[in-house]
Amino acid sequence: EAGVAQSPRYKIIEKRQSVAFWCNPISGHATLYWYQQILGQGPKLLIQFQNNGVVDDSQLPKDRFSAERLKGVDSTLKIQPAKLEDSAVYLCASSSSGLAGDGGLDTQYFGPGTRLTVL
Amino acid sequence: RKEVEQDPGPFNVPEGATVAFNCTYSNSASQSFFWYRQDCRKEPKLLMSVYSSGNEDGRFTAQLNRASQYISLLIRDSKLSDSATYLCVVPDPYSSASKIIFGSGTRLSIRP
Repeated sequence: EAGVAQSPRYKIIEKRQSVAFWCNPISGHATLYWYQQILGQGPKLLIQFQNNGVVDDSQLPKDRFSAERLKGVDSTLKIQPAKLEDSAVYLCASSSSGLAGDGGLDTQYFGPGTRLTVL
Repeated sequence: RKEVEQDPGPFNVPEGATVAFNCTYSNSASQSFFWYRQDCRKEPKLLMSVYSSGNEDGRFTAQLNRASQYISLLIRDSKLSDSATYLCVVPDPYSSASKIIFGSGTRLSIRP
């Protein structure tokens, strides 16, 4: 079974430029997540989609970050304009349903991430 | 208090040793917990789930102490390949979806 695919793997841009990341989740997975992982920290959820709808975007800096999952499959995350503090690894993850219940939780499978450096 | 706190380490132990590290969480309503493993410059991968008092999988044992609000991970007979960062994960109990909260991770280095 193919895993979560992300591209590009690395990106270097200057501050105030724009950048976009792409994610293709595991086939059939309804839930897709974008995380930001700054060096030395754990991943922080930016946005969660259930099919093509947003479930949680409370930690997404909406003045500069946007994300979409138009057909409920692949997704793009955009930063415009980028700041120095956006330098991080952007991880995409997917799970089959994502719905919590009875203490159980679908396993999230992560892609290899995109390492962004903002100069 | 942070939602999830971990000792960042690094823990540097010889091969074959037993090592344990803890993770504390702030919300007593949390029901299930996870340990993820993240190798250097790689993505996190699920290592173990903890739903009741504990879970054991080979050399790895995860234990839950609800009264003190911490979970621990014990690694016996450590191998060089166990060198990684171990991320403690707690579901957000107030999320209707499957939002999880990661700790900052504990770095473990096994030396020959």
